[in-house]
Amino acid sequence: KAGVTQTPRYLIKTRGQQVTLSCSPISGHRSVSWYQQTPGQGLQFLFEYFSETQRNKGNFPGRFSGRQFSNSRSEMNVSTLELGDSALYLCASSLTGAVYEQYFGPGTRLTVT
Amino acid sequence: AQSVTQLDSHVSVSEGTPVLLRCNYSSSYSPSLFWYVQHPNKGLQLLLKYTSAATLVKGINGFEAEFKKSETSFHLTKPSAHMSDAAEYFCVVSGGSQGNLIFGKGTKLSVKP
Repeated sequence: KAGVTQTPRYLIKTRGQQVTLSCSPISGHRSVSWYQQTPGQGLQFLFEYFSETQRNKGNFPGRFSGRQFSNSRSEMNVSTLELGDSALYLCASSLTGAVYEQYFGPGTRLTVT
Repeated sequence: AQSVTQLDSHVSVSEGTPVLLRCNYSSSYSPSLFWYVQHPNKGLQLLLKYTSAATLVKGINGFEAEFKKSETSFHLTKPSAHMSDAAEYFCVVSGGSQGNLIFGKGTKLSVKP
């Protein structure tokens, strides 16, 4: 089976812009979770989607949003980018939910200048 | 509330010597526990998981972990370190308040030749 794929792998954006990241889960997996990883804060949970519905959400501002399509692919959007949004954004898929074993993609490295 | 503490931020061993990465958890119920590994500029890979079956869990690449309820620990071990084991390791507990996995801060493992 193909693993979790994320596109693009690297992005450079300017403050104030918006960005969309994409994640394709493992075939058959219906749960997709997003995480932000920074040296200071470590891995922080953004949100989880299951069957096109946001099921859980972490403590991030409304500038961070996402959606899931009928084929389970997911997108994450960050509007009005800030310097502090520079991070590795990881997507993970799971058969049934975010509290079970998850399979991670390689991540998208976002740099905000 | 669930939490996880990795007791060492950095561990250095020589190739061929044993590896011990320590993790303590806090949970109001019997948790699911995981160890993930992250190589530089890569996503996270699941090493092993504990889900209330056998307390000694074997994972990939010769790693294993023992669940000790009395000590609330889930330490990761390997009898003989290999250069390719150099990476960051995350101890993870299920059941966060947002329905998510909770990650420790990570332990960076260095392996000297």
